[in-house]
Amino acid sequence: DTGVSQDPRHKITKRGQNVTFRCDPISEHNRLYWYRQTLGQGPEFLTYFQNEAQLEKSRLLSDRFSAERPKGSFSTLEIQRTEQGDSAMYLCASSFANEQFFGPGTRLTVL
Amino acid sequence: AQSVTQPDIHITVSEGASLELRCNYSYGATPYLFWYVQSPGQGLQLLLKYFSGDTLVQGIKGFEAEFKRSQSSFNLRKPSVHWSDAAEYFCAVNTDKLIFGTGTRLQVFP
Repeated sequence: DTGVSQDPRHKITKRGQNVTFRCDPISEHNRLYWYRQTLGQGPEFLTYFQNEAQLEKSRLLSDRFSAERPKGSFSTLEIQRTEQGDSAMYLCASSFANEQFFGPGTRLTVL
Repeated sequence: AQSVTQPDIHITVSEGASLELRCNYSYGATPYLFWYVQSPGQGLQLLLKYFSGDTLVQGIKGFEAEFKRSQSSFNLRKPSVHWSDAAEYFCAVNTDKLIFGTGTRLQVFP
């Protein structure tokens, strides 16, 4: 069973560095979502794609954040000039209908 | 605006006791509602979902939830809690994207 996978699982970086995360969805799923979760909070929506089209971006997604899904398969989330406030768990999910399946997440720590 | 409220931040129960986790939502249309569970450092696992039809839905691990439109609630229940149920539980409503509550941390004492 190939569920949603995310890479890396953990990332430690210094403030000001750029980081990129990858998400591989379940193969037949056409929608892909990114969420951010900080300690003690529920996940918050960042952005989502239907196939390769990015359909919605949250106000949480500042100009330093960019997401792509170039061929409607895997997706990348890049954070430029990281700040300590970017430290969080970044979750990816994919769906075909109304049910989303989540990956294990990438935990980012910005020093 | 759409929102989900989980009034209980932290609940402690004894193993074998019954459990009810509360969830209230605010959404104008017929909601698609979900309960997810998250173990420390892990992703989210779907426990159960409500789309339409029978308002009492069964999920995995012996959990069930009841949709009450008049109360805008979707409370999660389990008749007998196991130590392995200790985790964080999130209620969510689907509005194209998921809107989550802040979660309830469940602690189980032997």
